[in-house]
Amino acid sequence: KQEVTQIPAALSVPEGENLVLNCSFTDSAIYNLQWFRQDPGKGLTSLLLIQSSQREQTSGRLNASLDKSSGRSTLYIAASQPGDSATYLCAVHSGYALNFGKGTSLLVTP
Amino acid sequence: KAGVTQTPRYLIKTRGQQVTLSCSPISGHRSVSWYQQTPGQGLQFLFEYFSETQRNKGNFPGRFSGRQFSNSRSEMNVSTLELGDSALYLCASSLAPSGANVLTFGAGSRLTVL
Repeated sequence: KQEVTQIPAALSVPEGENLVLNCSFTDSAIYNLQWFRQDPGKGLTSLLLIQSSQREQTSGRLNASLDKSSGRSTLYIAASQPGDSATYLCAVHSGYALNFGKGTSLLVTP
Repeated sequence: KAGVTQTPRYLIKTRGQQVTLSCSPISGHRSVSWYQQTPGQGLQFLFEYFSETQRNKGNFPGRFSGRQFSNSRSEMNVSTLELGDSALYLCASSLAPSGANVLTFGAGSRLTVL
């Protein structure tokens, strides 16, 4: 059974800092890995999708990498802003369904 | 382009009752997946429908069921509600079965069971 772990569970940084969120998974046989953002009480917003054959994806200030062999992904956020405050979820699709981590709660302080 | 629409957004039920939640996918999307989100268990997969057929089902009791209509709209039903069914129920749509496609999520239906 695919297990997805996100570290740290919570993170607080001052505005302007670059930061890295970590995601690890136990089974390397994946179709893709997706990073989502969730604001309090809201649904999920897809940030980046990395197919199993890819190593990274970039969108604006966000960059996600994937290392299937080690079962790891990182989400890099450059020049953080207070509007980036949210919970970030990593999810791995193993051909059956998305398996989610518990998320990293990010607070960016002005 | 309209997103994924879930109704109702909030509802309160009592134990033993049943509930039906609705999900309208993005126009042109034929795959709909349902997830349950609770503080303790996080996000867990319920089921996925494609072209009116259930493709996969998560590890939930038979009280949880769903269906998909010819217009790709989907409903899920929970019968004999228990306190532990209180959760945010999220629906996601994709063009085709979700293995290789981006899933777009709705805002969710928040169910409280008293």
